Amino acid sequence: GENVEQHPSTLSVQEGDSAVIKCTYSDSASNYFPWYKQELGKRPQLIIDIRSNVGEKKDQRIAVTLNKTAKHFSLHITETQPEDSAVYFCAASRGGGTSGSRLTFGEGTQLTVNP
Amino acid sequence: GAVVSQHPSWVICKSGTSVKIECRSLDFQATTMFWYRQFPKQSLMLMATSNEGSKATYEQGVEKDKFLINHASLTLSTLTVTSAHPEDSSFYICSATTPLSGLAGQVSYNEQFFGPGTRLTVL
Repeated sequence: GENVEQHPSTLSVQEGDSAVIKCTYSDSASNYFPWYKQELGKRPQLIIDIRSNVGEKKDQRIAVTLNKTAKHFSLHITETQPEDSAVYFCAASRGGGTSGSRLTFGEGTQLTVNP
Repeated sequence: GAVVSQHPSWVICKSGTSVKIECRSLDFQATTMFWYRQFPKQSLMLMATSNEGSKATYEQGVEKDKFLINHASLTLSTLTVTSAHPEDSSFYICSATTPLSGLAGQVSYNEQFFGPGTRLTVL
């Protein structure tokens, strides 16, 4: 089955700096890679996703890059703000078909943005 | 759009009792629902995949007789934790998804919409 590894487990940055979180996956058939932000005691919130037919996607301060050959993808947050502090999870799935859409999550990264 | 609710949001029960958690898609028909368990400071672990009208598919290591899943309609799935024990205390989260043809232009096929979670504490 799919295995997703995420690094680092904790990340502390100063407000205004950039933050980068990296994930690797094992299943070459995976083609959908979402990123979630989860605040304590709340549901995961989709912040950006990318499909395997593109290499990069950007949404304001957030961007995701995908390297299919190397099987890794990264989340980039620029101009970080204290409200960006949360746990971030990457995930991967094959997509297509009801069972194929199951997500495998990384272990999570606790991001702390210091004012 | 694409709102998923869970009920209850939290529950405390005695060891040995059963607890039922409901997951509802409020504004779309969910052909597939997923149940996750999340322990403190850990990731979401998929417990089972539930397709409407069929038996759930459980992940390896998840006891199907202990975690009963029913997906009787396109908007409701239930998870029943039977004979709960303190080690079952966790945050249980459901998610729902639907094919692109159901909500074209609004929902991607792959995107899962998460419920707010249910905090279960077994005493």
